Amino acid sequence: SQELEQSPQSLIVQEGKNLTINCTSSKTLYGLYWYKQKYGEGLIFLMMLQKGGEEKSHEKITAKLDEKKQQSSLHITASQPSHAGIYLCGGRAGNMLTFGGGTRLMVKP
Amino acid sequence: GAVVSQHPSRVICKSGTSVKIECRSLDFQATTMFWYRQFPKQSLMLMATSNEGSKATYEQGVEKDKFLINHASLTLSTLTVTSAHPEDSSFYICSARLGLAGDTQYFGPGTRLTVL
Repeated sequence: SQELEQSPQSLIVQEGKNLTINCTSSKTLYGLYWYKQKYGEGLIFLMMLQKGGEEKSHEKITAKLDEKKQQSSLHITASQPSHAGIYLCGGRAGNMLTFGGGTRLMVKP
Repeated sequence: GAVVSQHPSRVICKSGTSVKIECRSLDFQATTMFWYRQFPKQSLMLMATSNEGSKATYEQGVEKDKFLINHASLTLSTLTVTSAHPEDSSFYICSARLGLAGDTQYFGPGTRLTVL
């Protein structure tokens, strides 16, 4: 099975600071997805990366996929309280989407 | 964008009863839907893959007879938790895939099940 590891597991940052969340796969990823979740609620789709070296940005969030397609990072610039939540990376292998353990982000005002 | 709904959003039931959760794709047809379960402070765990018109594919360790899945149409999949027990209390989330493998999955808002 495809293993996805996320780091860190939890993160507390001061508002305005930058932060990075990492997602590492034991196998080559054929599609890497980033989602945001407030616990107990559904997932919000953030971005999808498919090509090695691909980088996408949306507002203050940037996601990258390395050339080997085994590692992805999610970078938030100038964090705000609205960024708080659980960030999940999901990797696709064929029909299945498996998730990392999640990173719980808290932003202190 | 693609919208997926779940009903009910919350349900409380007595031990031994059965509970049905619906997952609908509102503005697109989903040949494949997925059911996930989430425990507190944990990530999502895939329970089963539901394909329209065929039997669901269950992940290892998931009891087929306990978690009945029916994907009767291209916009509706149901998960029935049969003879529910307190340990079945959890947050259940479904997702629907727009088209072929590799397409983005869109998630429902989830259903919180509490079994007393």
